[in-house]
Amino acid sequence: DTAVSQTPKYLVTQMGNDKSIKCEQNLGHDTMYWYKQDSKKFLKIMFSYNNKELIINETVPNRFSPKSPDKAHLNLHINSLELGDSAVYFCASSQQTGTGELFFGEGSRLTVL
Amino acid sequence: SQELEQSPQSLIVQEGKNLTINCTSSKTLYGLYWYKQKYGEGLIFLMMLQKGGEEKSHEKITAKLDEKKQQSSLHITASQPSHAGIYLCGAGAGGSNYKLTFGKGTLLTVNP
Repeated sequence: DTAVSQTPKYLVTQMGNDKSIKCEQNLGHDTMYWYKQDSKKFLKIMFSYNNKELIINETVPNRFSPKSPDKAHLNLHINSLELGDSAVYFCASSQQTGTGELFFGEGSRLTVL
Repeated sequence: SQELEQSPQSLIVQEGKNLTINCTSSKTLYGLYWYKQKYGEGLIFLMMLQKGGEEKSHEKITAKLDEKKQQSSLHITASQPSHAGIYLCGAGAGGSNYKLTFGKGTLLTVNP
C-alpha cells in the first residue's frame, strides 16, 4: 500500500492551461503539504493543511489553489500555467503533533511548454 | 526566515570511503531532520535530532547535532552505491512542526 500517492506522475502541458495534481494519504495523518522542487533541486514549501484547514501559505501566486475535501486528500490546482511553474511538486503528510517526520509522495513532474 | 546551508553541494566518493555532509542553520535549531532523495522519487526520512549533542545512527549513517553551532553533520561509514542520492537537511521554523524548511541538498555519488 502506498502511504502518500500523487497523480499524475508526469504532466506536460502548454502555457496558459489549467491543470490539477491530486494527492491522497492513507496514514491517518492530520496535516498535509505541497512542496515545490525546482530545477536546482531546491525544495520549498507552498501550502500546508491541517484537518482540511489552510495553515501555511508561502506567498504562492493566486494561480495556485489547494483544496482539501477531507483530511486524507490535498489537491493542487494551477491556473494559467507559466514556464516558471515547471518543477516537481511533492505532496507530504505528517501527524498533527508529530516530530516533523514527513512522509512524501513520489512527486509529480510538471513541464510547461 | 530560517535558512539552511549544506556543504558540500556535491560529493563523489569511491565505494568503501567515509564521508561527511554538513548542515548549518541561520537561526536556532528546534529540531533537525535528515532526508534522502533518490532520482525520480520522493524524500525518505532518515532521522531526527532534537537535543544538542544528540547523535543517532541508521545502518551506516550517523548524524549529530551541535546546537551551539546551529549545525548538524551526517556521516556515512564505508559508503556503498546504495547510499547515492541527494541528502537534505530540514528544520522546523520557530519550533513549529507544521513547517519544515529544507537545505538545497548534497548530491552524493558513490563509484563502485
